[in-house]
Amino acid sequence: AQSVTQLDSQVPVFEEAPVELRCNYSSSVSVYLFWYVQYPNQGLQLLLKYLSGSTLVKGINGFEAEFNKSQTSFHLRKPSVHISDTAEYFCAVSQPAPGYAGGTSYGKLTFGQGTILTVHP
Amino acid sequence: GAGVSQSPSNKVTEKGKDVELRCDPISGHTALYWYRQSLGQGLEFLIYFQGNSAPDKSGLPSDRFSAERTGGSVSTLTIQRTQQEDSAVYLCASSPIRANYGYTFGSGTRLTVV
Repeated sequence: AQSVTQLDSQVPVFEEAPVELRCNYSSSVSVYLFWYVQYPNQGLQLLLKYLSGSTLVKGINGFEAEFNKSQTSFHLRKPSVHISDTAEYFCAVSQPAPGYAGGTSYGKLTFGQGTILTVHP
Repeated sequence: GAGVSQSPSNKVTEKGKDVELRCDPISGHTALYWYRQSLGQGLEFLIYFQGNSAPDKSGLPSDRFSAERTGGSVSTLTIQRTQQEDSAVYLCASSPIRANYGYTFGSGTRLTVV
C-alpha cells in the first residue's frame, strides 16, 4: 500500500516570493512521483514527474521538485511566484508496472489531499 | 482529439435516477482511468482500462457504479440509482501504454444529485 501526505492544506504567499509545497509519501516499493496543478473549474495538469535518475526535476511554469528517498519527500518549489500560480496543487505517487522494480500497479495514482496556493499582490 | 474530452461538463440529477458520464480519450491512448474528486474524500481512483478490459476496478464504491469501454476508445461511467453522496467531479484521464509516465486529464463532469 502507498500513501501521500501534503503537509499544508493552504499556503498564502506574496507575489515574487519563493514558495515550497511539501509532500511526503510512504511505499514499500519503488515509486514514481508527480505534481499536478488544478486551476478553478479545470482538470488536473501535470507539472512535473520523477521516474528515475536525477533527483532534481524541473517542470513547467518554473516549478521544480527534489526527490529525497531517505526522507521519503518530494517537495515542490518555485523561486518567485506570480498571481497566476494561484491554484490547488496535488502530489501523487504511483508504482512501476508489474514485473519491474517490485511494482504492482498499472499507473494508478494515489493523491495527497491537495495544497491551495494563494498568491497575493 | 487534442485532449481528453468529457461530457457533459455539468449534470444535475434527481436522487434515484441513473446517469451516464462519457470520456473520449486522446487518440491512440490505450490506458484510461476514472477518478472521483469530492470535498470529503479528495481524489479517488475508480477504475482502470487497458484497451477494452478493466484489470483494476477496485475503486468503484458500490455495485451501483459500472463502466465500460468500447473500441479501445470511448468510455462510459454509469451510476445507477444516484445518491446525494455521489455528488462529485468525475475525472477521466488517458495515457499511452506505459501509463506510469503521467496522464492527461479531462476537465471533468460535475455531478450534482438533488
